[in-house]
Amino acid sequence: SQQGEEDPQALSIQEGENATMNCSYKTSINNLQWYRQNSGRGLVHLILIRSNEREKHSGRLRVTLDTSKKSSSLLITASRAADTASYFCATVYNNAGNMLTFGGGTRLMVKP
Amino acid sequence: DSGVTQTPKHLITATGQRVTLRCSPRSGDLSVYWYQQSLDQGLQFLIQYYNGEERAKGNILERFSAQQFPDLHSELNLSSLELGDSALYFCASSVGHRDNQPQHFGDGTRLSIL
Repeated sequence: SQQGEEDPQALSIQEGENATMNCSYKTSINNLQWYRQNSGRGLVHLILIRSNEREKHSGRLRVTLDTSKKSSSLLITASRAADTASYFCATVYNNAGNMLTFGGGTRLMVKP
Repeated sequence: DSGVTQTPKHLITATGQRVTLRCSPRSGDLSVYWYQQSLDQGLQFLIQYYNGEERAKGNILERFSAQQFPDLHSELNLSSLELGDSALYFCASSVGHRDNQPQHFGDGTRLSIL
């Protein structure tokens, strides 16, 4: 079963707006990663944030990590129709090698 | 294109049967991971191999087994199939076995049990 939860489960916005997705997890982590999945396709790695980092940027993506609250957020700025996909957070827990534990995902729809 | 190749893309079979899913990792990647994605369980880690050796095991049923060959490709064997085994099976690869390495996913094999 999933170890994390994502919020919201679904999000619908207009092109050009910002999209924020949240992820919570349960135990201490080494890192947290965000992946995107287009319908019927494999997952694509977006960004990795280590447990000693608080914020990371990659293009239009901004990820924050709050280890005291065991939560992370993914912000996509100036969204495009092509950003329509499911977004998953995945944690790598301490002493778990590189095994990914996924949340339930957020389904993002960006309307043109 | 992630560089990870999975075959077949679709597989339809009946309960009680056995199937083999194949994965070729990205060139240079030594670790291979298998994940199952289903509507009720979401994405779950099954097993990891690194350079031919089993590295980590997750929620993998005893009816399932995997191996990684000397050329680094991997196979996931599913036997005595049940209706509940219908799912998308993903293979992913990474350079090494340690954490802090992103994983690169194939497009999956969609398994349907009739």
